[in-house]
Amino acid sequence: DTAVSQTPKYLVTQMGNDKSIKCEQNLGHDTMYWYKQDSKKFLKIMFSYNNKELIINETVPNRFSPKSPDKAHLNLHINSLELGDSAVYFCASSHGGRDQPQHFGDGTRLSIL
Amino acid sequence: SQQGEEDPQALSIQEGENATMNCSYKTSINNLQWYRQNSGRGLVHLILIRSNEREKHSGRLRVTLDTSKKSSSLLITASRAADTASYFCATATRYNQGGKLIFGQGTELSVKP
Repeated sequence: DTAVSQTPKYLVTQMGNDKSIKCEQNLGHDTMYWYKQDSKKFLKIMFSYNNKELIINETVPNRFSPKSPDKAHLNLHINSLELGDSAVYFCASSHGGRDQPQHFGDGTRLSIL
Repeated sequence: SQQGEEDPQALSIQEGENATMNCSYKTSINNLQWYRQNSGRGLVHLILIRSNEREKHSGRLRVTLDTSKKSSSLLITASRAADTASYFCATATRYNQGGKLIFGQGTELSVKP
């Protein structure tokens, strides 16, 4: 069984469009994250939710809006896509707290034409 | 600015040899974690070392932490072709909220059969 699953795996779209990425975890974790990995493999946290509550919101453009309908799901909606949004987006989950390992999905590769 | 920096950026060795990767960071930490990323996949947690620990082992992995130098190293002994991947260190700072991790740029390890 996949622990953290993201859909879609690939997303190719044009500038200006709106798109969503879905994430689900079946590990019973209470904290979920979105990360962005750029072309140089630099991984940066974007958002974190704990029990459906937003607890980390890095300096991300407000075109990016996370939504957590329940503890097992964290979706990412992106409005008015720009060329610079091209990257791989990873969802992760953990038990809350600083000393817990994080479990990652396999990523969604977003390409903006 | 980025918390973790890794050295070397790329490492190529023969199967059976040991691989050592280093990570430096800038602020006080609660713990430091190492992750592996295979091509096209998500990150996989390898090992976590707390700020009051100096060394930790897990199978063929050995991690050291020197908080006075703000550095850590990951040693993989008796490497295998299957160890070929990118390796990232990630720090949880002492004062951060939730499970925020700050990742280094990673070391690309290539193990030749």
